Amino acid sequence: DAGITQSPRYKITETGRQVTLMCHQTWSHSYMFWYRQDLGHGLRLIYYSAAADITDKGEVPDGYVVSRSKTENFPLTLESATRSQTSVYFCASNPGGSEAFFGQGTRLTVV
Amino acid sequence: QKEVEQNSGPLSVPEGAIASLNCTYSDRGSQSFFWYRQYSGKSPELIMFIYSNGDKEDGRFTAQLNKASQYVSLLIRDSQPSDSATYLCAESTQEYGNKLVFGAGTILRVKS
Repeated sequence: DAGITQSPRYKITETGRQVTLMCHQTWSHSYMFWYRQDLGHGLRLIYYSAAADITDKGEVPDGYVVSRSKTENFPLTLESATRSQTSVYFCASNPGGSEAFFGQGTRLTVV
Repeated sequence: QKEVEQNSGPLSVPEGAIASLNCTYSDRGSQSFFWYRQYSGKSPELIMFIYSNGDKEDGRFTAQLNKASQYVSLLIRDSQPSDSATYLCAESTQEYGNKLVFGAGTILRVKS
């Protein structure tokens, strides 16, 4: 399917476990982003990438790791999940123009 | 630290009325401004973007930008119950493919 897809859509994990959220886009957009959304905070940027093998920290990067070996994939890893990382995570892509396209989101609960 | 401020609401308007959503930003270097709509449990979708001072109209939506006052607004004319959603204001300095800084969003409720 064309577009940007995230997996899984829902995930429950335990404190201290490593978990990876996947993001895949079929447009070959250069730019990709990971945001988290929490009540009262809107969307906050975790990491972004301008191209394969080029990534940089956003506003709230602590506890997260990203990689981008291929243009179409931008996985986000929580190295040791904490309850404060319970959130809704959105991946987005942008070809360099005006509109960012968002995935469906992943609702992560850390117990 | 860049900041985008929005009144969280909820803003309640009757069906057919004009809804006015407001946003202020702190970074004078911001170049582009975006309004996204987000329905509950869904991902944000772009409504409009604006770069230049003044008004920009698209159907029932009008975005207004005043860079001197660091103020952005979105007007929704003839509001419909289907417009009930959270409206997110975002800004960008046009670097890195429009890396966006979002406000917390305003909840809009249109009552029929």
